[in-house]
Amino acid sequence: AIQLTQSPSSLSASVGDRVTITCRASQGISSALVWCQQKPGKAPKLLIHDASTLETGVPSRFSGSGSGTDFSLTISSLQPEDFATYYCQQFNSYPLTFGGGTKVEIK
Amino acid sequence: EVQLLESGGGLVQPGGSLRLSCAASGFTVSSSAMSWVRQAPGKGLEWVSTIKTSGENTYYADSVKGRFTISRDNSKNTLYLQMNSLKAEDTALYYCAITKKGYWGQGTLVTVSS
Repeated sequence: AIQLTQSPSSLSASVGDRVTITCRASQGISSALVWCQQKPGKAPKLLIHDASTLETGVPSRFSGSGSGTDFSLTISSLQPEDFATYYCQQFNSYPLTFGGGTKVEIK
Repeated sequence: EVQLLESGGGLVQPGGSLRLSCAASGFTVSSSAMSWVRQAPGKGLEWVSTIKTSGENTYYADSVKGRFTISRDNSKNTLYLQMNSLKAEDTALYYCAITKKGYWGQGTLVTVSS
C-alpha cells in the first residue's frame, strides 16, 4: 500500500501568514492526488484535484504543486476561515490512502 | 445538485452486523466510482472501500477485507456497506463519498460496544 506522510502534523500561524503543508508518497503516484479541508463536525471539502488543479469555487490563495512522490499545499495568505485540518489522498492505486492530516491552528 | 444521504448507523455489539445505506440524488450511482470513508472519533480519515462503475470491481482496506461488502442498487440509486463481524475499532463516522469529485455525505455514526 502507498503511504502518504504529511508534515507537519500541526502548525500554528497568524492571519496573513503563508502556510505550506507537504505530503510525501512512499512511491510515485504521478499527479493522482487531491487535497481536502475539514472543519470540526463537517464533512471534508475538496480543494485541489490532480495535484495542482483548483476546485471550482475555492479561493485562489490555495494552490497545490508536485508530482511523483512530493506534493505541497500552500495557502498564500491565511484567512480566519482557513483554520482547519487538511488531508491529502492518493488515487494512483488501491488501497486508496489518506495522509495523517495537518491541523492548522491560530497562533 | 449532488446529495448523498447516509443512514443505518447505530450502536452494535462486537461481532454484530450493520448495513449502511447512502441514497444519492442529483446523479446516478452507477456513473461514478463511489467510496466509503470513515473517521474514528478524534482521528483522521481512513478509506474503507470503493466500487467502480462496472459494479464488478470492488476494493477494500485490509482492516475490513473479508468482513465488509460494498454494493449498490442502481434502481434505488443507493450505495450500501454491509458490515459483519464488527469490532470496537470499527467505531467511526462513516461517510459515503466520491472523494475525487468532492462529493461527501454528512456521515452516519457506527458505535461498536458491549
